[in-house]
Formats: sequence, structure tokens, C-alpha cells
Amino acid sequence: DGGITQSPKYLFRKEGQNVTLSCEQNLNHDAMYWYRQDPGQGLRLIYYSQIVNDFQKGDIAEGYSVSREKKESFPLTVTSAQKNPTAFYLCASSIDNRGWNTEAFFGQGTRLTVV
Amino acid sequence: GQNIDQPTEMTATEGAIVQINCTYQTSGFNGLFWYQQHAGEAPTFLSYNVLDGLEEKGRFSSFLSRSKGYSYLLLKELQMKDSASYLCAVSYNFNKFYFGSGTKLNVKP
Repeated sequence: DGGITQSPKYLFRKEGQNVTLSCEQNLNHDAMYWYRQDPGQGLRLIYYSQIVNDFQKGDIAEGYSVSREKKESFPLTVTSAQKNPTAFYLCASSIDNRGWNTEAFFGQGTRLTVV
Repeated sequence: GQNIDQPTEMTATEGAIVQINCTYQTSGFNGLFWYQQHAGEAPTFLSYNVLDGLEEKGRFSSFLSRSKGYSYLLLKELQMKDSASYLCAVSYNFNKFYFGSGTKLNVKP
């Protein structure tokens, strides 16, 4: 079955530690995205990538880093520089970065809690 | 980003019709999407509009006016399971999706 998979579903981190969230898709999608969602709020764009080995900052990239070494993988690292990392993180992909029908498909999310 | 605005919360009665509005910045617009999100879950795709007019999908319809930077999602014959947040998302310049803050819909018996 094709889909987009995020792991782990729940993640706990001590203050000052870096942590990497996994996102894998087997949909052969070109574009991938990372969003952050805080309670009762919408999704805010952290980073996006339109093609392998290329990625761009979104609105709230500070304290985060990404890589896109393979088409199917787009891991997000939450660094110790991120002042308020506790949130729900959503990864998404879309089939084509230039077509009309570019709806985004979402993974099930990772809930990160800093303890 | 991109000034996507939606009402924060709405309440409607089971069996009724509800309209959720969304306004957005028009520069660079490619298309508009509506997603449904239940608490603690990932958003799921509902509809997509790229041209002006109404797109109907069963109980859900979505309308777009590109010149006005305006869309609405219409939900008919409301069911209790429709209680969720509804997110308006806009594609800009073929490379970004921006989301509104979402409208929390409460359906009451």
C-alpha cells in the first residue's frame, strides 16, 4: 500500500537534546513538507523540498534542520536551539510541484514533548 | 502565512447546513484545498478548487471566487461525526501550501 509514514508517533526529549523525526513516503512524490501544529491552531510551515538535494525554509525554520538525500525520505531534526519544541509535527507530500492537482497527503504525525 | 483567515469556531445542529468561509491573499494563487482534521489526527483531504465556481462531493461542497480571494465549504445534512476542525489551505507559486488556523465545528444533537 502506498502512503506516507511518520515515526515515532510519540517522542519525549530532554531539554538541550537534538531529536530527529522520520518521514518516509512510497508515493513517488516530488514535494515534501514539514508542518508544526500547536494546540487549537493551524499548521505552520517549517521546511519544504521540491526535489532531492534541495529544500527551502518555511515561516518558522529557526531551530530546525532537514535533509533530502533520497526522494522518499525527508527527516526533520529539532535542535536545542528551538526554544519551544513541544508540538504536533506533520509531514506531507504532494505528487508534483508544478501540476494543478497537487493536494498534500499527510502522515499520522509525531507528538513531541520536551521534559 | 499569506493571510488565510477562517472563523475560529462554529456550532450547528445535526441535520442542518453549515457554511465555513475562508479568505486569502490572491497574489501567486494556484489552488485552494479544504481538509478535515479530527483532534489528535492528521488532516484528510476533502476538496480542491482551482477555477471559480462550486465543486460538489456528496454532502460536502466547496466554492471559489479567485477575484475576491474567497472560498467556502458547505456541509449538508450534518452528522455528529462531522465535528472536527476544517482547514483551508492555499497553494502559492506551485511550491508551497499555507494553512489557515482552522475552524472548529461543533455539531450538537
